[in-house]
Amino acid sequence: GQQLNQSPQSMFIQEGEDVSMNCTSSSIFNTWLWYKQDPGEGPVLLIALYKAGELTSNGRLTAQFGITRKDSFLNISASIPSDVGIYFCAGYNNNDMRFGAGTRLTVKP
Amino acid sequence: DTGVSQDPRHKITKRGQNVTFRCDPISEHNRLYWYRQTLGQGPEFLTYFQNEAQLEKSRLLSDRFSAERPKGSFSTLEIQRTEQGDSAMYLCASSLAQGWNTEAFFGQGTRLTVV
Repeated sequence: GQQLNQSPQSMFIQEGEDVSMNCTSSSIFNTWLWYKQDPGEGPVLLIALYKAGELTSNGRLTAQFGITRKDSFLNISASIPSDVGIYFCAGYNNNDMRFGAGTRLTVKP
Repeated sequence: DTGVSQDPRHKITKRGQNVTFRCDPISEHNRLYWYRQTLGQGPEFLTYFQNEAQLEKSRLLSDRFSAERPKGSFSTLEIQRTEQGDSAMYLCASSLAQGWNTEAFFGQGTRLTVV
């Protein structure tokens, strides 16, 4: 089963709004990854975080690796319709990568 | 195409039949992962390979499931005596594990439907 708690489960926002989602765990991870998945496709890597406290951006996306190494958040600024999809966080330790249950994002034009 | 490739994209099979899926990772990647994803859930870890060695298997991987990566390149996942509960998307991912850099890239998945 899932070891990561991802919230919210779903979001309905207006185009142009900013979005924030987060992921928490009872375990420490060495790496946090954020993925986006479109229906019927595999997850696509958005951002990878390697150091506690690290803040990384990829275009309109910004993600942070929590200081405790047990959490991470992803922000999307100025959302557009193509941001629609399911966003997954993943924590990685040694040989193991575990996923959250996802945040389903809907953007209304 | 330099991404992770999975074949087939879709498979419909009758309960009790055996199925085999193939994954071709990104060529220089030494790690290969198999995940299963059901509707509304995140990917669940099944197994992973470092080169040709299978280093970890999840409890989800029952004895009806077997995975191989004979030459450290492509991998196959076989499910024997399929059950309806095996219906899911099977995802393969690969990464080049160097130090902390563990970015894993996924294929498009194989959607299995057991009828």
